[in-house]
Amino acid sequence: DAKTTQPPSMDCAEGRAANLPCNHSTISGNEYVYWYRQIHSQGPQYIIHGLKNNETNEMASLIITEDRKSSTLILPHATLRDTAVYYCIVRWRSNDYKLSFGAGTTVTVRA
Amino acid sequence: GAVVSQHPSWVICKSGTSVKIECRSLDFQATTMFWYRQFPKQSLMLMATSNEGSKATYEQGVEKDKFLINHASLTLSTLTVTSAHPEDSSFYICSARERGGLAGPYEQYFGPGTRLTVT
Repeated sequence: DAKTTQPPSMDCAEGRAANLPCNHSTISGNEYVYWYRQIHSQGPQYIIHGLKNNETNEMASLIITEDRKSSTLILPHATLRDTAVYYCIVRWRSNDYKLSFGAGTTVTVRA
Repeated sequence: GAVVSQHPSWVICKSGTSVKIECRSLDFQATTMFWYRQFPKQSLMLMATSNEGSKATYEQGVEKDKFLINHASLTLSTLTVTSAHPEDSSFYICSARERGGLAGPYEQYFGPGTRLTVT
């Protein structure tokens, strides 16, 4: 699976959009981009995933560049409850379904 | 959405004893369950993959005789930490994949985690 690079931390203001970048320059054509988050002392939570088209759901939007070498997770209106570690994972959808978690980005939403 | 529970949520045990952690899928059948370990301020590390009715597959560096995994039914997997030592103190998280589930949000549902402290 391709390696991802995320900034270690970022702050954002409550009510504003939070844009979380992820670089995955070695991504292959069959690999998807997944985003999970982990609130302190809880299990990870699925946010969104995509292959090459932009995706949106009730939690967030995922913007993938045309060359697929990077992506951005957008939390449209950050709340204090969005404070968490966000993981960008690139994975080929195979039968093993394993997820490899990197260091992630610690996002702190401030009032 | 589907719910995965873990029991206990936290446990303290003495060095040398064994501890069993349960992972249950509450409203779906889980073909595959995964066990992760997370040390403080670190990311999750996959320990093993278990498929119902077969032996678990352990990741490199994980001692299979120390971390016994049993996946006897489609709703229950257990992780037993045998002869626990203080260095085994960690946050253990399981996840479950729904039988016949589609990829994407249905791929893995995570449990809330179990905090193990070995004294």
